[in-house]
Amino acid sequence: DAKTTQPPSMDCAEGRAANLPCNHSTISGNEYVYWYRQIHSQGPQYIIHGLKNNETNEMASLIITEDRKSSTLILPHATLRDTAVYYCIVRVGGAGAQKLVFGQGTRLTINP
Amino acid sequence: DAGITQSPRHKVTETGTPVTLRCHQTENHRYMYWYRQDPGHGLRLIHYSYGVKDTDKGEVSDGYSVSRSKTEDFLLTLESATSSQTSVYFCAISESSGNTIYFGEGSWLTVV
Repeated sequence: DAKTTQPPSMDCAEGRAANLPCNHSTISGNEYVYWYRQIHSQGPQYIIHGLKNNETNEMASLIITEDRKSSTLILPHATLRDTAVYYCIVRVGGAGAQKLVFGQGTRLTINP
Repeated sequence: DAGITQSPRHKVTETGTPVTLRCHQTENHRYMYWYRQDPGHGLRLIHYSYGVKDTDKGEVSDGYSVSRSKTEDFLLTLESATSSQTSVYFCAISESSGNTIYFGEGSWLTVV
């Protein structure tokens, strides 16, 4: 079962920051938080991941709370092409394959 | 984009026939995965591989087998296709345990 909880849908105006929340209250100390998105029926696209510290890359920022029980993905200037389903994933597994377990995600709609 | 090629991209087959989907990677990554995606279920792991000839089952492995005779190829076989195996199949790869997992563009399989 997925170890994360996300709102099923969100809306955001084009040009504004989109803030997508995720709860992962049972996360273990060595588990990372990963974010992917899926546009239409394309393959999931990696966005960002983190363990404890906040992370930023060219696509987004990831804010993880100090207790690590929740996180927020921030798309700083959303565009229409950011409309997609966003998945927050806690990476499970030990020394083996490090599998990903997907939940239902958040359907983000960017409005003009 | 990660060098992942799935083939065929689209296939229609009849119930009871064998089907093989191929995932080919040019990244020399050790880990490869097969997921399926269905409405209301998100992505679910079928099988994965952590090296040549090293494979293991995922959460929905019944009715599927895999083989990995070369680092670059991971084959998913439906020995006798059923209508319940109509789905979109995604291959994924990662360099090692703990590294980011990247997905292919998907193979659409319809079993009639």
